[in-house]
Amino acid sequence: DAGITQSPRHKVTETGTPVTLRCHQTENHRYMYWYRQDPGHGLRLIHYSYGVKDTDKGEVSDGYSVSRSKTEDFLLTLESATSSQTSVYFCAISELAGGSEKLFFGSGTQLSVL
Amino acid sequence: DAKTTQPNSMESNEEEPVHLPCNHSTISGTDYIHWYRQLPSQGPEYVIHGLTSNVNNRMASLAIAEDRKSSTLILHRATLRDAAVYYCILRDVGVDRDDKIIFGKGTRLHILP
Repeated sequence: DAGITQSPRHKVTETGTPVTLRCHQTENHRYMYWYRQDPGHGLRLIHYSYGVKDTDKGEVSDGYSVSRSKTEDFLLTLESATSSQTSVYFCAISELAGGSEKLFFGSGTQLSVL
Repeated sequence: DAKTTQPNSMESNEEEPVHLPCNHSTISGTDYIHWYRQLPSQGPEYVIHGLTSNVNNRMASLAIAEDRKSSTLILHRATLRDAAVYYCILRDVGVDRDDKIIFGKGTRLHILP
């Protein structure tokens, strides 16, 4: 599993509250990613990071912010959660292998915004 | 990253080979072809990748067309545990690569007992 831990695994929150999801890795990988997955949409990239304090937007970044103050942690924050952000969130890291990069995903966080 | 096109779903019988197609007509010379799969209630997992030559590993084989505009993931003997969504993506690992790794909707593979 490339040492990836997502927390929490499940969360239920109310509309308008802030929520932070954490992705922790133990193998010093440079690149980290946050995806969300919804029925009918597949995996969609929210934000990614290419180093400490270096982040960029993905396809669906509106309503989300990220921070990476340490190599091992990549935080995803919903400043004011909305029902449309109910989803399964996956963190991933990439590892160079065989001339290209493999992605390794965490187990996911099921977020419900009521 | 260049886009890929996959069928929405496919069916196969258990213990038979499965050929999952992917079209990538705008692939560049430095794009690697990657396949991932996602089992129910799990995160995606790496399956295989290649550049030009066909590739084999313990999970599957990857057949790449000579013009590289399409590829096929081959599961040699499907089991019920292979029922999953399979994603084909392209990754350019050049120095100035765009790291927006975009997944499409993939192919949902159903295995019939």
